[in-house]
Amino acid sequence: AQTVTQSQPEMSVQEAETVTLSCTYDTSENNYYLFWYKQPPSRQMILVIRQEAYKQQNATENRFSVNFQKAAKSFSLKISDSQLGDTAMYFCAFTDSGGGADGLTFGKGTHLIIQP
Amino acid sequence: DAGVIQSPRHEVTEMGQEVTLRCKPISGHNSLFWYRQTMMRGLELLIYFNNNVPIDDSGMPEDRFSAKMPNASFSTLKIQPSEPRDSAVYFCASSLGRGSYEQYFGPGTRLTVT
Repeated sequence: AQTVTQSQPEMSVQEAETVTLSCTYDTSENNYYLFWYKQPPSRQMILVIRQEAYKQQNATENRFSVNFQKAAKSFSLKISDSQLGDTAMYFCAFTDSGGGADGLTFGKGTHLIIQP
Repeated sequence: DAGVIQSPRHEVTEMGQEVTLRCKPISGHNSLFWYRQTMMRGLELLIYFNNNVPIDDSGMPEDRFSAKMPNASFSTLKIQPSEPRDSAVYFCASSLGRGSYEQYFGPGTRLTVT
């Protein structure tokens, strides 16, 4: 079974700083998909960024980027120029199929706090 | 377009009562997922459907839990009888299906069983 590990229960940084959230996973599959979801206090789950394992190029979405290290099974999220609205729980998630038709396996999450 | 719709948003019930959670996926989406979120166990997949057919229910914790998807626009998750340890936030998510991997989540139902 696949597992996803987020080793940082909580992180706190100052506004405008850069922060990196770590995620490691375990799978025997070669083709899979990785995601970062954001859950603000409203509890709505919001997709931040996604990465296909067969793509060597790291995904980027505006201030959000990932460092995908397939051999190390590592998938970290970097948030640049952090903003107060980035305060939320962040979950790393994995699926070994198209992801649209099979469920996601989530890590336990990292609570990110952006200080003014 | 309306997103995934869940009802009710909050439910408080007494132990032993039947609870039914409802979900309307995004129109045109072929896959539907039920997740549960607790502090202790995090986010767990309970069951998912493709084209209204249950594919994997191995995450359903006990026989007290059941899920149905009678048509493409409606699904229910039922707990009978409910227990205090069922207290959690229950999310429904939908996606276009195989080949499309983005899952869209509903706002969740916070269930409290006293």
